[in-house]
Amino acid sequence: EAGVTQSPTHLIKTRGQQATLRCSPISGHTSVYWYQQALGLGLQFLLWYDEGEERNRGNFPPRFSGRQFPNYSSELNVNALELEDSALYLCASSPRGEKLFFGSGTQLSVL
Amino acid sequence: DAKTTQPPSMDCAEGRAANLPCNHSTISGNEYVYWYRQIHSQGPQYIIHGLKNNETNEMASLIITEDRKSSTLILPHATLRDTAVYYCIVRGTTGTASKLTFGTGTRLQVTL
Repeated sequence: EAGVTQSPTHLIKTRGQQATLRCSPISGHTSVYWYQQALGLGLQFLLWYDEGEERNRGNFPPRFSGRQFPNYSSELNVNALELEDSALYLCASSPRGEKLFFGSGTQLSVL
Repeated sequence: DAKTTQPPSMDCAEGRAANLPCNHSTISGNEYVYWYRQIHSQGPQYIIHGLKNNETNEMASLIITEDRKSSTLILPHATLRDTAVYYCIVRGTTGTASKLTFGTGTRLQVTL
């Protein structure tokens, strides 16, 4: 069974640009979570999607947004990139609110 | 979600049991205790979870106090590969709009 897959593995952008990160959940999982992990810090909750709808969001500005598609895959968009957005972005999927299965993440570097 | 408190770091000799504590004094009756670990900035890996009874699986044991205000994750025979950051989190039952917040965890260093 394939795990959670994220793409790209690495992404380099410059300040002011937009970044799009993608996540494919485990087959049958309807919930997708996004987390940001800056270097040396814990995981900060970004967004939770379930059945195509945004269920909850963390304390991040509106330039962090996303969506979940009918096949339950998800996309995280970060607009107007700032240097402090450089981080590992982790996606996790879950079968309706149970334990989370994480992907390997996308390392975003903003120059 | 209830907040958790964990020591920032712990050491353990290889082959010995590693006991990682977690305080969650504001946990409510329908919240589970979950443990994850993260190795080398990979995605966190699920270890175990429980509600009120002690739990054991192939990776670890989870001991939850009777008042549910604290718990201990036990790795019975730690190996070097268990060196990681361990996160204790609490979350509600299926369907709750949980932010599922991870704290800073405990950095476990297993040594020879």
